[in-house]
Amino acid sequence: KAGVTQTPRYLIKTRGQQVTLSCSPISGHRSVSWYQQTPGQGLQFLFEYFSETQRNKGNFPGRFSGRQFSNSRSEMNVSTLELGDSALYLCASSINRQNTEAFFGQGTRLTVV
Amino acid sequence: AQSVTQLGSHVSVSEGALVLLRCNYSSSVPPYLFWYVQYPNQGLQLLLKYTSAATLVKGINGFEAEFKKSETSFHLTKPSAHMSDAAEYFCAVTGGDNYGQNFVFGPGTRLSVLP
Repeated sequence: KAGVTQTPRYLIKTRGQQVTLSCSPISGHRSVSWYQQTPGQGLQFLFEYFSETQRNKGNFPGRFSGRQFSNSRSEMNVSTLELGDSALYLCASSINRQNTEAFFGQGTRLTVV
Repeated sequence: AQSVTQLGSHVSVSEGALVLLRCNYSSSVPPYLFWYVQYPNQGLQLLLKYTSAATLVKGINGFEAEFKKSETSFHLTKPSAHMSDAAEYFCAVTGGDNYGQNFVFGPGTRLSVLP
C-alpha cells in the first residue's frame, strides 16, 4: 500500500513569498500532523488535523497555517516567507488520533533565498 | 508539558559492537514513547514504541528499548551494530491516547558504525 506522499519534494522560494505544501496520507488514515525540521531547532510540531479540524497547534506564528480536506489530504501554507523558514517539512499520518502508529512522508525541503 | 533529552549528539561504535542510545523524558501524564530512525534525505521510520504495555519493547532490525519509570528513561539498544544502522535516531514522547498525534522529539543522536 502506498505510503505518505508529500509534494513537492524540493522547493525554492524568495523572501516575502508564500508557499503551499501538500500531504496525501496513507489510504484510510484520517489524522495528519505536520513537523518542521531544522538543524538548529530539530523536529518541532506544527499542527495536527483530524476530520478536517485542527486539533492541536504548535508554537509557530500565524504565518503558518494548514487545512485538511474531506479525503484527509492536507496542505500547509506559509505566508511572507523568512530565511528562517528554510527547513524540511514532514507530514505524518495515522489511522486516528488514538492510534500511535504514525507514518512519515519523505518531506518537502523548502529553501528560502 | 513534555520534553525529551538524548545524551550524545553523536555516537560511534564498531561493527558488531553493542549500540546504546540514551533517552530521558519528562511528562506530566503517563507517556507513550517512541524511537524513530531517519536516513539522509528521508522521512522518519518507526523503530519501536511503548504504550503502557510491556516495559521491554522489541522493534524492527534487532532494536529494543526498556521503559524505566523510576529513571524516566527509554534507552535504545542493539546487541550487534551493522553498517546499515548508521543514521539519525530520535526519541519522542506523546501524552497517550487522549493527546493526539503531536509528538515531542528529542534533538537526535547520529550513529556512526565503523568497520
